[in-house]
Amino acid sequence: KQEVTQIPAALSVPEGENLVLNCSFTDSAIYNLQWFRQDPGKGLTSLLLIQSSQREQTSGRLNASLDKSSGRSTLYIAASQPGDSATYLCAGLQGGSEKLVFGKGTKLTVNP
Amino acid sequence: GAVVSQHPSRVICKSGTSVKIECRSLDFQATTMFWYRQFPKQSLMLMATSNEGSKATYEQGVEKDKFLINHASLTLSTLTVTSAHPEDSSFYICSATRVIDEQYFGPGTRLTVT
Repeated sequence: KQEVTQIPAALSVPEGENLVLNCSFTDSAIYNLQWFRQDPGKGLTSLLLIQSSQREQTSGRLNASLDKSSGRSTLYIAASQPGDSATYLCAGLQGGSEKLVFGKGTKLTVNP
Repeated sequence: GAVVSQHPSRVICKSGTSVKIECRSLDFQATTMFWYRQFPKQSLMLMATSNEGSKATYEQGVEKDKFLINHASLTLSTLTVTSAHPEDSSFYICSATRVIDEQYFGPGTRLTVT
């Protein structure tokens, strides 16, 4: 059974810092991995989707990597801004399944 | 593209009543729709998977007679919480797939049972 863990659970940084959020998964037979952003009381916004054949994806200040052999993914946020404050969730799609397994998220606070 | 809506965004109901939540894919036909619930400070937990015209597949521990799912068309799925109790209060989120490996999420519905 796939389990997804995110560390740290919460992170507070000053504006402008570069930061890394971590996601680990137990089963390397992962089809893809997706990073989401969730604002308080809101739904999920998809940030980046990394297919199993890919190693990373980039969108603006965001870069996500996937290392299936070590069971890890990272989300790198460059030059953080207060508007980046949110909870970031990673989720893995198991091969042969339609089910996404989510981590508990990392709550990010970027202080002005 | 790939927008998913949910209605209502918030609902308060009395214990023992039923509540229906709608999930629509606005600009695409969804092969599959998913229903999740999220408790405070917890992650999303999959409740059920539904395909148009067939019965939903429920995750272990989810009561199918309590959480009724109807997937009447390729753009609409509904979740009805029957005989709601305070412990059913939660944030319910749906998602829909356009292609097999990417899910698009709705904005969620906050259910409060008094």
